[in-house]
Amino acid sequence: EVQLVESGGGLVQPGGSLKLSCAASGFTFSGSAMHWVRQASGKGLEWVGRIRSKANSYATAYAASVKGRFTISRDDSKNTAYLQMNSLKTEDTAVYYCTGNYYWGQGTLVTVSS
Amino acid sequence: DIVMTQTPLSSPVTLGQPASISCRSSQSLVHSDGNTYLSWLQQRPGQPPRLLIYKISNRFSGVPDRFSGSGAGTDFTLKISRVEAEDVGVYYCMQATQFPWTFGQGTKVEIK
Repeated sequence: EVQLVESGGGLVQPGGSLKLSCAASGFTFSGSAMHWVRQASGKGLEWVGRIRSKANSYATAYAASVKGRFTISRDDSKNTAYLQMNSLKTEDTAVYYCTGNYYWGQGTLVTVSS
Repeated sequence: DIVMTQTPLSSPVTLGQPASISCRSSQSLVHSDGNTYLSWLQQRPGQPPRLLIYKISNRFSGVPDRFSGSGAGTDFTLKISRVEAEDVGVYYCMQATQFPWTFGQGTKVEIK
């Protein structure tokens, strides 16, 4: 059974940092690209970024709204993808989902507020 | 960025009746590899999104056959042949042909 489990969300002040994790199981994580998508409360879906596999040089891509502030990485030995979020803004408040191999995690809530 | 436009935004449906959602992209979704990376997602209340259809018309694992996708180029449709109570939720079209991935605004399917 494929599982994606996000963790690391919470309350952070504007300008702060947070690192999310996405633990994967049930598929060949090392061969899969992993994406992060976010959803503000009551709103639609917004793609955040992705990281490709080692075979594709771990290439990353980001949405313009987060480029330069967010960094996606992965540890294939732990079957885990990460989203490092710096210089957080109130508009980054959302549920953050990881998705890979066509599956989606349950999400983790990030709240940026003073 | 490719803009995805869904219609309608709300679809009240009688149980057992069909439902249809349209999605139009601002440019062709045909990739240079020949594939069209148009997917449909379902988000039930309080749940994460779930993949229903990928590459226009391919049902994902475990998706009932009452769901079907069609279309080409810039115009796509999701059909539910007979709506069941468990189909209530918001449906999104999504393109993965070009970065950034972009999503439609979502169509809320509810029971009359």
